Amino acid sequence: EDQVTQSPEALRLQEGESSSLNCSYTVSGLRGLFWYRQDPGKGPEFLFTLYSAGEEKEKERLKATLTKKESFLHITAPKPEDSATYLCAVRRMDSNYQLIWGAGTKLIIKP
Amino acid sequence: ETGVTQSPTHLIKTRGQQVTLRCSSQSGHNTVSWYQQALGQGPQFIFQYYREEENGRGNFPPRFSGLQFPNYSSELNVNALELDDSALYLCASSLGGGLSYEQYFGPGTRLTVT
Repeated sequence: EDQVTQSPEALRLQEGESSSLNCSYTVSGLRGLFWYRQDPGKGPEFLFTLYSAGEEKEKERLKATLTKKESFLHITAPKPEDSATYLCAVRRMDSNYQLIWGAGTKLIIKP
Repeated sequence: ETGVTQSPTHLIKTRGQQVTLRCSSQSGHNTVSWYQQALGQGPQFIFQYYREEENGRGNFPPRFSGLQFPNYSSELNVNALELDDSALYLCASSLGGGLSYEQYFGPGTRLTVT
């Protein structure tokens, strides 16, 4: 069964304290893995797409990496405005449309 | 370039009623997907429309239906509302009928069923 699992469920960090969020997946052929950021009461905001193992993408303090079984979202020297829920989703090779989503990691950065 | 918009922002309905939610896609996008997101969970795929045709559906009953119009805006209709339908309903637009992987989301409609 296709599955996306994110860990931890919640993460509290001090401002400037770097860490990583994990997204592990089980799908029959990966067509793409996506990271989104979601603020409370709002729609998800697109961050990155990764297509193949070894690929890396960066945006400001965020860096996403991909292996054959999982993806990491590394956050370097976070600021309070990075506080949000980070969602991971995958698309199977045989699907043109359906994304399978994880439950998200709620990140809280304390000043 | 305008982003994805949804209306209304919030809605309260009674069990058994019907509801229509609306979505305007981002300029230039021809594909709209609808998702249901329960509190503390990731979005669940309802269905997708590409050039006015449904081209994918998740595990939702037929009382969830939709439309896409020639200007690529879309509606989600839910009949015979149940308490479990209470959720944030998200619309996402993209370009290419599913071949483009990046979906851009609207702010959502918060539906409460009492």
